[in-house]
Amino acid sequence: EVQLVESGGGLVQPGGSLRLSCSASGITFSTYWMHWVRQAPGKGLVWVTRINGDGKSTNYADSVKGRFTISRDNAKNTLYLQMNSLRAEDTAVYYCAGEFSPGSYYPPAGYFDPWGQGTLVTVSS
Amino acid sequence: DIQMTQSPSSLSASVGDRVTITCRASQTISRNLNWYQQKPGRAPNLLIYTTSSLQSGVPSRFSGSGSGTDFALTIRSLQPEDFATYYCQQSYTTPWTFGQGTKVEIK
Repeated sequence: EVQLVESGGGLVQPGGSLRLSCSASGITFSTYWMHWVRQAPGKGLVWVTRINGDGKSTNYADSVKGRFTISRDNAKNTLYLQMNSLRAEDTAVYYCAGEFSPGSYYPPAGYFDPWGQGTLVTVSS
Repeated sequence: DIQMTQSPSSLSASVGDRVTITCRASQTISRNLNWYQQKPGRAPNLLIYTTSSLQSGVPSRFSGSGSGTDFALTIRSLQPEDFATYYCQQSYTTPWTFGQGTKVEIK
């Protein structure tokens, strides 16, 4: 069974830090580019960041650039999101999502599947 | 950034109705357009990728069309389990962007 399971969410004060994890099973993890997508309470989906299969290439939304860092450990089938200098507007459910990439000679799929169940991050004093 | 605009933002429909949701991109995205369904408290679920390809396991009453800047998701005969929020998403260029969502409610 394909499964992505996020953890690490919680309540943090403005300016604080948090590290999210996303553990994958049922997939060949290294063949997936991985993304974080967030959803503020009652709002829509917002793409945050992505990392390629070998962890050497990353992209970030402008709103988190310089504050968030995405990384992965393929030996542990785990994706991470280090979030620093957190702001109230970072409050959201954070989802990890996979994008299949068949190999170096082919582009990644371009769509998000599978998704984790999400973990809630609340930034508040 | 490419802006994705969905219409309508919400709609009320009855079981058995044909429903169409549109999505417009602020610039051409070729056919790099995906659709997701999200139910309350749940993660999004991929329905349609690359404009018109049906994800495995998704009922055939769902279909997608379009190209360039204008796209549509059609539900041929709405079922009770289809009441949810639907999002389009472009994968033409980073940052990936989503539409604001269309909530489909029971009439």
